[in-house]
Amino acid sequence: AQSVTQPDIHITVSEGASLELRCNYSYGATPYLFWYVQSPGQGLQLLLKYFSGDTLVQGIKGFEAEFKRSQSSFNLRKPSVHWSDAAEYFCAVGPAGGTSYGKLTFGQGTILTVHP
Amino acid sequence: DSGVTQTPKHLITATGQRVTLRCSPRSGDLSVYWYQQSLDQGLQFLIHYYNGEERAKGNILERFSAQQFPDLHSELNLSSLELGDSALYFCASSPTGSSYGYTFGSGTRLTVV
Repeated sequence: AQSVTQPDIHITVSEGASLELRCNYSYGATPYLFWYVQSPGQGLQLLLKYFSGDTLVQGIKGFEAEFKRSQSSFNLRKPSVHWSDAAEYFCAVGPAGGTSYGKLTFGQGTILTVHP
Repeated sequence: DSGVTQTPKHLITATGQRVTLRCSPRSGDLSVYWYQQSLDQGLQFLIHYYNGEERAKGNILERFSAQQFPDLHSELNLSSLELGDSALYFCASSPTGSSYGYTFGSGTRLTVV
């Protein structure tokens, strides 16, 4: 069965510091990969996605993620964190085809706290 | 505003009761997805409807059911509620039946007491 692991439940960084949120997946074939952000009281907003091609993908709000097939990882990065980035971040995977196309499997989330 | 409207935003009800959560997709979107976010299970896919027809089912309990109406809004019905059903229920919509171009609503927070 497919699964997504976000090893860090909670990360605290200082404003202006760099950020890396980890995501590992277990899947039968290379899935499509996503990062979402959830602010308190809000729905989930898509930050970026990887379907194929260049393994370094750029997203909104200055985020990027790198797909590493050999490590089954899709880590999210940002060079300089802003206080407004404080939120919960979810990694998700979805099949590239088949009857379950469109169904997302989410990790448990990483809560990001930003110190001034 | 994402364009996906979920009502009500908050719901408090007693065990054993039945509730209906409503979702209006973005204008033009034909697919509606329901997800449950709970503290112990995280975010889990429940069900997907496309243009009125059920497309896929996930970890949806038999006490739960959903439908999508001709005007494309969707309702998630939860019955015989238990304390463990307390969660945030999200609806998302996408333009087609095969798309990851989701737009999520802001959710309905259900509290079962």
